[in-house]
Amino acid sequence: DTAVSQTPKYLVTQMGNDKSIKCEQNLGHDTMYWYKQDSKKFLKIMFSYNNKELIINETVPNRFSPKSPDKAHLNLHINSLELGDSAVYFCASSPGRGGYGYTFGSGTRLTVV
Amino acid sequence: KQEVTQIPAALSVPEGENLVLNCSFTDSAIYNLQWFRQDPGKGLTSLLLIQSSQREQTSGRLNASLDKSSGRSTLYIAASQPGDSATYLCAGQGGADGLTFGKGTHLIIQP
Repeated sequence: DTAVSQTPKYLVTQMGNDKSIKCEQNLGHDTMYWYKQDSKKFLKIMFSYNNKELIINETVPNRFSPKSPDKAHLNLHINSLELGDSAVYFCASSPGRGGYGYTFGSGTRLTVV
Repeated sequence: KQEVTQIPAALSVPEGENLVLNCSFTDSAIYNLQWFRQDPGKGLTSLLLIQSSQREQTSGRLNASLDKSSGRSTLYIAASQPGDSATYLCAGQGGADGLTFGKGTHLIIQP
């Protein structure tokens, strides 16, 4: 299936831990994104990579570090997790930087306890 | 910085009605305006994309319009069905800045 796939779908972890969320797209898109949806369901962009190059880095704590080993993968590593990091994290991709043809993954629900 | 507002926040209507969801944005220099649908526990599904040079797009029972001068977009759903129940999100694309989303309209279609 052509898609944007994220793993894991659910992640429950204790405060202070370090965790990673993985994202892969097989659509041949050049641009990948991480979005965060908070408890009020508000979606905000966190990072964007175009061909493995970071192009958007919103005001996000530096505990969050994206890594793109190739243009089909964009992983999100989070250090020293805090309660406020609990949210749903969505990966997305698009053919280019103009935002046409967005495809979203199904999300990773992160719960920090 | 771009801000996107959606009205109403929630809407419940009987099946078969035509309805309009509203979206407004503060920066008219958008690249495009997109409407998405989000079902509970699922990702976002792209519904319609209107380029900045266009005024409307149609897909089946959905029609989206864009008025850049007034900073408004509407999503029109004709002959609503229970399967249309979902949260509808409007988002503006500002060049390579990623999408700026509204908070969504939670729509319930009563059978």
